[in-house]
Amino acid sequence: GDSVTQMEGPVTLSEEAFLTINCTYTATGYPSLFWYVQYPGEGLQLLLKATKADDKGSNKGFEATYRKETTSFHLEKGSVQVSDSAVYFCALRGPGNQFYFGTGTSLTVIP
Amino acid sequence: NAGVTQTPKFQVLKTGQSMTLQCAQDMNHNSMYWYRQDPGMGLRLIYYSASEGTTDKGEVPNGYNVSRLNKREFSLRLESAAPSQTSVYFCASSESGGGNQPQHFGDGTRLSIL
Repeated sequence: GDSVTQMEGPVTLSEEAFLTINCTYTATGYPSLFWYVQYPGEGLQLLLKATKADDKGSNKGFEATYRKETTSFHLEKGSVQVSDSAVYFCALRGPGNQFYFGTGTSLTVIP
Repeated sequence: NAGVTQTPKFQVLKTGQSMTLQCAQDMNHNSMYWYRQDPGMGLRLIYYSASEGTTDKGEVPNGYNVSRLNKREFSLRLESAAPSQTSVYFCASSESGGGNQPQHFGDGTRLSIL
């Protein structure tokens, strides 16, 4: 069945460091892929999405490219800020309106 | 821009008590979902409703019931709460039919069972 495997955390970075959070997926067909962000005490918010191979989703300095050949959708940001501290979830939309989530990666950015 | 609204935000129950978690969305979405989030386990699907009048079990349905009251509302009921049901519960909704629309989440209900 469909599934998402996400890089284990927690991740701690200094401000202005480069961020990569790895995400790979298993799916039949060509699912849409998403990154969500969850700030403390809040629900999940959509960060970015990509709907087909080679699409690049981007938002707030974050980017992820849909790689069909490697079944990956890694999240990157060139220079993280303290305000980026949150939990990040990779997800895919499978058949039947089902969504599959990774286990989440906690990011802490220190000044 | 209410989106998905969950009530209550916090609740403490004693073992064996019952309660209903409420969820409403104002985006005219067909599909609605209930998840629980536990440390280190990500999101686990409890129940979902593909459209008004239908509900289906997810990964962890035991101990829960749901009602899709109308297109806007999808409630989750704990008939006899157990400490293992201590968790953060999230309701979500999505448009159906197309394959590229995301889910929209509420802010969660933090539930403690003593």
